[in-house]
Amino acid sequence: GAGVSQSPSNKVTEKGKDVELRCDPISGHTALYWYRQSLGQGLEFLIYFQGNSAPDKSGLPSDRFSAERTGGSVSTLTIQRTQQEDSAVYLCASSLFSSGRSGELFFGEGSRLTVL
Amino acid sequence: QKEVEQDPGPLSVPEGAIVSLNCTYSNSAFQYFMWYRQYSRKGPELLMYTYSSGNKEDGRFTAQVDKSSKYISLFIRDSQPSDSATYLCAMKKGGGADGLTFGKGTHLIIQP
Repeated sequence: GAGVSQSPSNKVTEKGKDVELRCDPISGHTALYWYRQSLGQGLEFLIYFQGNSAPDKSGLPSDRFSAERTGGSVSTLTIQRTQQEDSAVYLCASSLFSSGRSGELFFGEGSRLTVL
Repeated sequence: QKEVEQDPGPLSVPEGAIVSLNCTYSNSAFQYFMWYRQYSRKGPELLMYTYSSGNKEDGRFTAQVDKSSKYISLFIRDSQPSDSATYLCAMKKGGGADGLTFGKGTHLIIQP
């Protein structure tokens, strides 16, 4: 597809279970971001991948959160031992490095996670 | 104090009104300023971007940046019901692909 694709669109899980969220960025985009959007909290930066460089993990809230990006394309965000406060919409975005429209991130529709 | 402050609303105005949305920020290192629009259950999409102080106009939308006051605005003229969405301001320090710092978003409702 032409846009950023995320799956699953909705995920309901029980507290303590692990979840994996997938992001397929726009083809050719070298930068990939994960954000978390909670009700009333805006977008919270989680992690950023740029090409083959080491990812910027400074936004990950705890060591239960991890992400990887395979082959410079698809990314997976993993949340281990989920807690109720992890309930949120997880948004993935991609960007062309050195894009002429500085700051233009293209977002997917998000994965809505509910932890019971 | 959060780096970027934005009134979450909701802001409800009648169709055809001029809408003013605002953000304030505390970090003077921010150089690039954007507005994203997010419809319900969709991802944000870039609406406007500006570099440094000044105004930028695109159709019914005008983005304004006042770096001396650390204040940015988005004006929507002749507002339409289709403009009903959440508007998020965002800003960044550098010109590369590093991440953005977002406001919480203002929920805007245009009444037909």
